[in-house]
Amino acid sequence: EAQVTQNPRYLITVTGKKLTVTCSQNMNHEYMSWYRQDPGLGLRQIYYSMNVEVTDKGDVPEGYKVSRKEKRNFPLILESPSPNQTSLYFCASSYRRGAGGGETQYFGPGTRLLVL
Amino acid sequence: GQQVMQIPQYQHVQEGEDFTTYCNSSTTLSNIQWYKQRPGGHPVFLIQLVKSGEVKKQKRLTFQFGEAKKNSSLHITATQTTDVGTYFCAGYGSSNTGKLIFGQGTTLQVKP
Repeated sequence: EAQVTQNPRYLITVTGKKLTVTCSQNMNHEYMSWYRQDPGLGLRQIYYSMNVEVTDKGDVPEGYKVSRKEKRNFPLILESPSPNQTSLYFCASSYRRGAGGGETQYFGPGTRLLVL
Repeated sequence: GQQVMQIPQYQHVQEGEDFTTYCNSSTTLSNIQWYKQRPGGHPVFLIQLVKSGEVKKQKRLTFQFGEAKKNSSLHITATQTTDVGTYFCAGYGSSNTGKLIFGQGTTLQVKP
Protein backbone atom coordinates (compact mmCIF):
# COMPACT_ATOMS: atom_id res chain seq x y z
CA GLU A 1 0.00 0.00 0.00
CA ALA A 2 1.34 3.41 -1.03
CA GLN A 3 1.80 5.50 2.04
CA VAL A 4 3.74 8.09 4.01
CA THR A 5 4.52 7.07 7.57
CA GLN A 6 5.57 9.26 10.47
CA ASN A 7 6.89 8.35 13.88
CA PRO A 8 6.13 9.02 16.59
CA ARG A 9 2.49 10.01 16.24
CA TYR A 10 2.44 11.74 19.60
CA LEU A 11 5.31 13.15 21.59
CA ILE A 12 5.63 15.10 24.82
CA THR A 13 9.07 16.46 25.56
CA VAL A 14 10.83 19.19 27.51
CA THR A 15 12.56 22.31 26.34
CA GLY A 16 16.04 21.69 25.00
CA LYS A 17 15.85 17.92 24.61
CA LYS A 18 16.79 17.02 21.05
CA LEU A 19 14.27 15.00 19.13
CA THR A 20 13.79 13.52 15.67
CA VAL A 21 10.52 12.86 13.88
CA THR A 22 10.95 10.28 11.14
CA CYS A 23 9.17 10.30 7.80
CA SER A 24 9.27 7.52 5.25
CA GLN A 25 7.51 6.98 1.91
CA ASN A 26 7.33 3.81 -0.17
CA MET A 27 6.38 5.40 -3.49
CA ASN A 28 9.86 6.27 -4.79
CA HIS A 29 8.94 9.95 -4.68
CA GLU A 30 11.56 12.60 -5.36
CA TYR A 31 9.89 15.49 -3.54
CA MET A 32 9.34 15.48 0.21
CA SER A 33 8.32 18.23 2.56
CA TRP A 34 7.58 19.04 6.19
CA TYR A 35 4.74 21.27 7.40
CA ARG A 36 3.48 22.47 10.72
CA GLN A 37 -0.18 23.18 11.34
CA ASP A 38 -1.33 25.66 13.95
CA PRO A 39 -4.89 26.92 14.60
CA GLY A 40 -5.73 29.92 12.44
CA LEU A 41 -2.44 29.72 10.54
CA GLY A 42 -3.12 26.79 8.28
CA LEU A 43 -0.18 24.73 7.04
CA ARG A 44 3.25 26.29 6.88
CA GLN A 45 6.14 24.66 5.10
CA ILE A 46 9.27 24.10 7.19
CA TYR A 47 11.69 22.45 4.75
CA TYR A 48 11.45 20.63 1.48
CA SER A 49 13.63 18.33 -0.55
CA MET A 50 13.57 18.07 -4.33
CA ASN A 51 15.70 14.91 -4.30
CA VAL A 52 18.41 13.04 -2.39
CA GLU A 53 20.93 15.45 -0.82
CA VAL A 54 18.89 18.46 -2.03
CA THR A 55 17.06 20.35 0.69
CA ASP A 56 15.87 23.92 1.02
CA LYS A 57 14.07 26.18 3.45
CA GLY A 58 10.35 26.66 3.42
CA ASP A 59 8.50 29.46 5.12
CA VAL A 60 9.33 28.68 8.77
CA PRO A 61 12.68 26.83 8.96
CA GLU A 62 14.02 28.41 12.17
CA GLY A 63 14.71 25.86 14.89
CA TYR A 64 14.51 22.86 12.55
CA LYS A 65 16.94 20.74 10.57
CA VAL A 66 16.38 18.07 7.95
CA SER A 67 18.43 15.60 5.98
CA ARG A 68 17.79 13.56 2.84
CA LYS A 69 20.43 10.86 2.68
CA GLU A 70 18.17 8.38 0.93
CA LYS A 71 15.12 8.79 -1.23
CA ARG A 72 12.54 7.24 1.06
CA ASN A 73 13.41 9.02 4.32
CA PHE A 74 13.22 12.67 5.33
CA PRO A 75 13.65 13.10 9.09
CA LEU A 76 12.84 16.36 10.89
CA ILE A 77 15.24 17.26 13.67
CA LEU A 78 14.61 19.68 16.51
CA GLU A 79 18.02 20.26 18.09
CA SER A 80 16.72 22.28 21.03
CA PRO A 81 12.93 22.28 21.09
CA SER A 82 11.08 25.23 22.57
CA PRO A 83 7.42 25.60 23.59
CA ASN A 84 6.64 27.63 20.45
CA GLN A 85 7.38 24.48 18.44
CA THR A 86 4.37 22.77 19.99
CA SER A 87 2.33 21.93 16.93
CA LEU A 88 0.92 19.30 14.61
CA TYR A 89 3.54 18.24 12.06
CA PHE A 90 2.91 16.67 8.69
CA CYS A 91 5.32 15.08 6.28
CA ALA A 92 4.33 14.84 2.62
CA SER A 93 5.73 13.50 -0.62
CA SER A 94 5.05 13.66 -4.33
CA TYR A 95 6.56 12.07 -7.43
CA ARG A 96 8.39 15.24 -8.32
CA ARG A 97 8.07 18.98 -8.23
CA GLY A 98 7.35 20.50 -11.62
CA ALA A 99 4.70 22.43 -13.47
CA GLY A 100 3.28 19.34 -15.06
CA GLY A 101 1.41 16.39 -13.72
CA GLY A 102 2.34 13.64 -11.30
CA GLU A 103 2.34 16.01 -8.39
CA THR A 104 -0.32 14.56 -6.15
CA GLN A 105 1.11 15.25 -2.73
CA TYR A 106 0.51 12.50 -0.19
CA PHE A 107 0.48 13.45 3.49
CA GLY A 108 1.46 11.34 6.44
CA PRO A 109 -0.91 10.93 9.40
CA GLY A 110 0.72 13.69 11.44
CA THR A 111 2.80 13.96 14.61
CA ARG A 112 1.41 15.91 17.52
CA LEU A 113 4.24 17.46 19.51
CA LEU A 114 4.00 19.14 22.89
CA VAL A 115 7.09 20.90 24.23
CA LEU A 116 6.93 21.76 27.93
CA GLY B 1 7.32 37.32 0.94
CA GLN B 2 4.62 35.53 -0.97
CA GLN B 3 1.29 35.26 0.79
CA VAL B 4 -1.83 33.29 0.00
CA MET B 5 -5.05 34.54 1.57
CA GLN B 6 -8.14 32.39 1.73
CA ILE B 7 -11.68 33.46 2.56
CA PRO B 8 -13.94 32.90 4.31
CA GLN B 9 -12.33 31.32 7.34
CA TYR B 10 -15.54 29.53 8.32
CA GLN B 11 -18.77 28.73 6.51
CA HIS B 12 -21.90 27.10 7.87
CA VAL B 13 -24.43 25.94 5.28
CA GLN B 14 -27.61 23.93 5.21
CA GLU B 15 -27.28 20.63 3.40
CA GLY B 16 -28.12 21.21 -0.25
CA GLU B 17 -26.83 24.78 -0.35
CA ASP B 18 -23.83 25.76 -2.43
CA PHE B 19 -20.43 26.71 -1.01
CA THR B 20 -17.50 28.68 -2.38
CA THR B 21 -14.05 29.39 -1.00
CA TYR B 22 -11.67 31.90 -2.55
CA CYS B 23 -7.93 32.01 -2.64
CA ASN B 24 -5.81 35.07 -3.51
CA SER B 25 -2.06 35.24 -3.88
CA SER B 26 0.12 38.32 -3.53
CA THR B 27 2.22 37.08 -6.47
CA THR B 28 1.68 35.10 -9.64
CA LEU B 29 1.56 31.35 -9.07
CA SER B 30 2.99 28.69 -11.34
CA ASN B 31 0.21 26.33 -10.29
CA ILE B 32 -2.31 25.90 -7.50
CA GLN B 33 -3.41 22.86 -5.56
CA TRP B 34 -6.47 22.20 -3.44
CA TYR B 35 -6.65 19.92 -0.42
CA LYS B 36 -9.36 18.73 1.95
CA GLN B 37 -8.75 17.88 5.58
CA ARG B 38 -11.40 16.10 7.58
CA PRO B 39 -11.53 16.79 11.34
CA GLY B 40 -8.69 14.88 13.01
CA GLY B 41 -7.26 13.80 9.68
CA HIS B 42 -4.49 14.75 7.33
CA PRO B 43 -4.77 16.88 4.17
CA VAL B 44 -5.84 14.97 1.11
CA PHE B 45 -4.95 16.21 -2.36
CA LEU B 46 -7.97 17.10 -4.47
CA ILE B 47 -6.65 18.68 -7.65
CA GLN B 48 -3.97 20.79 -9.31
CA LEU B 49 -4.54 23.63 -11.76
CA VAL B 50 -1.73 24.83 -13.99
CA LYS B 51 -3.07 26.91 -16.87
CA SER B 52 -4.36 30.45 -16.79
CA GLY B 53 -8.18 30.43 -16.72
CA GLU B 54 -8.32 26.67 -16.19
CA VAL B 55 -11.56 25.15 -14.92
CA LYS B 56 -11.79 21.57 -13.68
CA LYS B 57 -14.70 19.63 -12.28
CA GLN B 58 -14.90 16.67 -9.95
CA LYS B 59 -18.54 15.65 -9.58
CA ARG B 60 -20.07 18.48 -7.48
CA LEU B 61 -16.76 20.34 -7.08
CA THR B 62 -15.65 23.02 -9.55
CA PHE B 63 -12.16 24.50 -9.39
CA GLN B 64 -11.06 27.65 -11.21
CA PHE B 65 -7.67 29.27 -11.72
CA GLY B 66 -7.75 32.96 -12.51
CA GLU B 67 -6.56 34.47 -15.78
CA ALA B 68 -3.72 36.26 -14.01
CA LYS B 69 -2.82 33.08 -12.07
CA LYS B 70 -3.14 34.98 -8.80
CA ASN B 71 -6.49 33.69 -7.62
CA SER B 72 -8.50 30.52 -7.50
CA SER B 73 -11.82 29.26 -6.23
CA LEU B 74 -13.48 26.03 -5.21
CA HIS B 75 -17.24 25.78 -5.57
CA ILE B 76 -19.31 22.91 -4.19
CA THR B 77 -22.82 22.48 -5.57
CA ALA B 78 -25.53 21.09 -3.31
CA THR B 79 -23.38 20.37 -0.27
CA GLN B 80 -23.66 17.09 1.58
CA THR B 81 -22.64 16.20 5.14
CA THR B 82 -19.68 14.31 3.68
CA ASP B 83 -18.29 17.65 2.47
CA VAL B 84 -17.54 18.73 6.04
CA GLY B 85 -13.90 19.62 6.60
CA THR B 86 -11.31 22.28 5.97
CA TYR B 87 -10.37 23.16 2.40
CA PHE B 88 -6.93 24.55 1.68
CA CYS B 89 -5.45 26.08 -1.41
CA ALA B 90 -1.69 26.04 -1.91
CA GLY B 91 0.52 27.54 -4.57
CA TYR B 92 4.06 27.38 -5.88
CA GLY B 93 5.52 30.79 -6.62
CA SER B 94 7.52 29.71 -9.63
CA SER B 95 8.10 26.60 -11.68
CA ASN B 96 11.56 25.85 -10.30
CA THR B 97 10.93 26.10 -6.57
CA GLY B 98 9.63 23.53 -4.15
CA LYS B 99 8.41 26.20 -1.77
CA LEU B 100 4.66 25.71 -1.34
CA ILE B 101 2.53 28.36 0.38
CA PHE B 102 -0.82 27.36 1.85
CA GLY B 103 -3.83 29.52 2.47
CA GLN B 104 -5.24 29.54 6.01
CA GLY B 105 -8.08 27.26 4.98
CA THR B 106 -11.87 27.46 4.99
CA THR B 107 -13.70 25.24 7.44
CA LEU B 108 -17.04 24.06 6.13
CA GLN B 109 -19.84 22.90 8.41
CA VAL B 110 -22.93 21.36 6.84
CA LYS B 111 -26.18 21.12 8.79
CA PRO B 112 -28.32 18.12 7.82
